[in-house]
Amino acid sequence: DAKTTQPNSMESNEEEPVHLPCNHSTISGTDYIHWYRQLPSQGPEYVIHGLTSNVNNRMASLAIAEDRKSSTLILHRATLRDAAVYYCIPSSNSGYALNFGKGTSLLVTP
Amino acid sequence: NAGVMQNPRHLVRRRGQEARLRCSPMKGHSHVYWYRQLPEEGLKFMVYLQKENIIDESGMPKERFSAEFPKEGPSILRIQQVVRGDSAAYFCASSPLYRGQSGSTEAFFGQGTRLTVV
Repeated sequence: DAKTTQPNSMESNEEEPVHLPCNHSTISGTDYIHWYRQLPSQGPEYVIHGLTSNVNNRMASLAIAEDRKSSTLILHRATLRDAAVYYCIPSSNSGYALNFGKGTSLLVTP
Repeated sequence: NAGVMQNPRHLVRRRGQEARLRCSPMKGHSHVYWYRQLPEEGLKFMVYLQKENIIDESGMPKERFSAEFPKEGPSILRIQQVVRGDSAAYFCASSPLYRGQSGSTEAFFGQGTRLTVV
């Protein structure tokens, strides 16, 4: 699996955009980049995934660097319910063998 | 449509006992995955199953751990002769058969079973 580097924690004000970075310099050419988040005492929740192009869905946007060595998850307007640990996970093909690192703990303040 | 259901939510076992963790995937999902989250760590993949088949068990400890997904009923993760180091949160996820045009698929996770070995 590709090694990832994410900040341990980040803080944001409510209703402001949040950019969560992830470095995955050893990613292979066929690895998808998955983002999941985990609220306290909950199972992980899918956020978004992509391969090369930037991706948007109702939850977030994913910006993937041209060389694919890094990506950024963008929450357009953070809410208190977005406070969670966010995991960036490069994974091959179907992405079933997801191995979560320590992620970024996002704190959202009113 | 109910999500992935795991039970029990909390399980306490004494050292040497057996632990059985159950997972019912989302309706229509035929792929099940088990993960383990040790304290202060991220989730680690254990095993991937389809009905009556183990597809990939590369993350399973070689001894005491087994998993099944029978034709009828939930998937079971079984830990024999539990030790304190087995204390963790065990998560199950499921996904549909169709992977979609993206070539990858979203996995839906249950709320986990927190196993405590005393």
